[in-house]
Amino acid sequence: EDQVTQSPEALRLQEGESSSLNCSYTVSGLRGLFWYRQDPGKGPEFLFTLYSAGEEKEKERLKATLTKKESFLHITAPKPEDSATYLCEMGGSQGNLIFGKGTKLSVKP
Amino acid sequence: DGGITQSPKYLFRKEGQNVTLSCEQNLNHDAMYWYRQDPGQGLRLIYYSQIVNDFQKGDIAEGYSVSREKKESFPLTVTSAQKNPTAFYLCASAPRAGGTDTQYFGPGTRLTVL
Repeated sequence: EDQVTQSPEALRLQEGESSSLNCSYTVSGLRGLFWYRQDPGKGPEFLFTLYSAGEEKEKERLKATLTKKESFLHITAPKPEDSATYLCEMGGSQGNLIFGKGTKLSVKP
Repeated sequence: DGGITQSPKYLFRKEGQNVTLSCEQNLNHDAMYWYRQDPGQGLRLIYYSQIVNDFQKGDIAEGYSVSREKKESFPLTVTSAQKNPTAFYLCASAPRAGGTDTQYFGPGTRLTVL
């Protein structure tokens, strides 16, 4: 069964304290791995798409990486405005789309 | 500006009533999706449409109905058969269905049953 698991569920960081969010997946054939940011009461906002193991993408303080079993969202020197819920979504071989439950990130000044 | 819109932002319904949530996109996308989001549950797929006049059930379709008469529009009706409809509803679109294209989300509709 295709599955996506995100960890941790919640993460509290001090401003400037770098860390990583994990998205583990099981699928027979990955079509795409997507990262989104969601602010409270709003729709998810697209961050990155990764398609194959070894691929990396970067935007400001965020960097997404992909292996055959998991993806990481690395946050370097986070700021309070990076506080949000980060969602991982997988596109499976059957065209199905599966979301993880998200990681709620809080960055304190 | 291209984008995806949902209305209303907040919706209140009495038990036993049907309500319809609007979703419109001007991105010329073929695929459209409806998700339900509950605290701690993540996003769960209700229905999706790959093309006009076609739609498929997602994981939690019971108590919901949709139509896709126009490429730009994908309304969701929450029927009285839905036992626990209070939730945050998100509409999304993508150039194509199939799991390879990024989805673009609307701002959401928060439905509360009184």
